[in-house]
Amino acid sequence: DTGVSQDPRHKITKRGQNVTFRCDPISEHNRLYWYRQTLGQGPEFLTYFQNEAQLEKSRLLSDRFSAERPKGSFSTLEIQRTEQGDSAMYLCASSLGAGSRDQPQHFGDGTRLSIL
Amino acid sequence: GQQVMQIPQYQHVQEGEDFTTYCNSSTTLSNIQWYKQRPGGHPVFLIQLVKSGEVKKQKRLTFQFGEAKKNSSLHITATQTTDVGTYFCAGSGNTPLVFGKGTRLSVIA
Repeated sequence: DTGVSQDPRHKITKRGQNVTFRCDPISEHNRLYWYRQTLGQGPEFLTYFQNEAQLEKSRLLSDRFSAERPKGSFSTLEIQRTEQGDSAMYLCASSLGAGSRDQPQHFGDGTRLSIL
Repeated sequence: GQQVMQIPQYQHVQEGEDFTTYCNSSTTLSNIQWYKQRPGGHPVFLIQLVKSGEVKKQKRLTFQFGEAKKNSSLHITATQTTDVGTYFCAGSGNTPLVFGKGTRLSVIA
């Protein structure tokens, strides 16, 4: 079990730039989730995939955010025209999904985004 | 939308003392999960509760799901320094998991 891996671990960029993060889930997991976490808060749901289909996206998610999981394996999260408020830890998690019940999620170490 | 609230936000205990964190949902949940996040780490799954009134134990940790499936608690007996971290509950109803803000536990040796 190699776990969930995320790349890069840290990203520093100037306001207005685009950034892309990658997540490689546990290989047999069909569900993949993206969260955002800021200091003193719990993970905030952004979106999730079952295989290659994006099944749900948070209503709080700006149009500047987009995620893909083209072959049902790794996923990318892109933020366009970054803003100061985008500074956060972006966490990816994966799980085995069956039906509507949530299964235990395995988290990666996250990508810490800092906007200058 | 669904909200999950946790109290207390912080708890400082002397090693050997007990600790409890409480989780309340604004809506009835289909299940609740608990996670632990060490400082500088990522959330790690601890347990999932599904049935009304369910109680599960893991060594010194006792997890409970309320009869109405709207609240839950985590109790740690005789805390140790290895218990330090933030404990999150996460509830699922008709939406993907909604995490509480967590309870940050500090243990003084």
